[in-house]
Amino acid sequence: AQKITQTQPGMFVQEKEAVTLDCTYDTSDQSYGLFWYKQPSSGEMIFLIYQGSYDEQNATEGRYSLNFQKARKSANLVISASQLGDSAMYFCAMREGSNDYKLSFGAGTTVTVRA
Amino acid sequence: ETGVTQSPTHLIKTRGQQVTLRCSSQSGHNTVSWYQQALGQGPQFIFQYYREEENGRGNFPPRFSGLQFPNYSSELNVNALELDDSALYLCASSRKVQGEYGTQYFGPGTRLLVL
Repeated sequence: AQKITQTQPGMFVQEKEAVTLDCTYDTSDQSYGLFWYKQPSSGEMIFLIYQGSYDEQNATEGRYSLNFQKARKSANLVISASQLGDSAMYFCAMREGSNDYKLSFGAGTTVTVRA
Repeated sequence: ETGVTQSPTHLIKTRGQQVTLRCSSQSGHNTVSWYQQALGQGPQFIFQYYREEENGRGNFPPRFSGLQFPNYSSELNVNALELDDSALYLCASSRKVQGEYGTQYFGPGTRLLVL
């Protein structure tokens, strides 16, 4: 079974608007971490934001925020005030407590920001 | 930039050949993980090295092997290359302290094409 599901293959957003990228996960571990990475066309995977399973507050990093709904097993990324440089592939990933040495990635969502 | 470097950036090999990819960790990091990312997919975990030993492995055959050196740099070796090995190979480093893993930071990747 897929551990990370990203159902939106591609999204378009107008510059300066907000966009929400969906991510659902599947784990039986109580301790786990959720990550979002950005991958521009150059290929490098850039870390954006992290949410631990025991964190009570939703994580925020600048224009990025993570909408963490534990009961629904979702960890959606919100990008506010989109910029042209935000156009990239975005990956949701999970690190499970029982296999904490590795990340399991979703298939990714392509975001294209329009001027 | 993360401080994780990889070489070479691009590589073309023929089926049956062997290849070695290299990675230098970010300063202060002591683990190195390797991922394979096929075109249009999310990265797949190959293995991780910690204290110069393989610390965990994904679903990859033994012809994928690696090394970690005392300076925490690493090599990924692939023998008997197959066409399906064509992919972007990503290296990530993190800091493991008292059994806890930090965030993985990725390098720019090596694009391997097998003909």
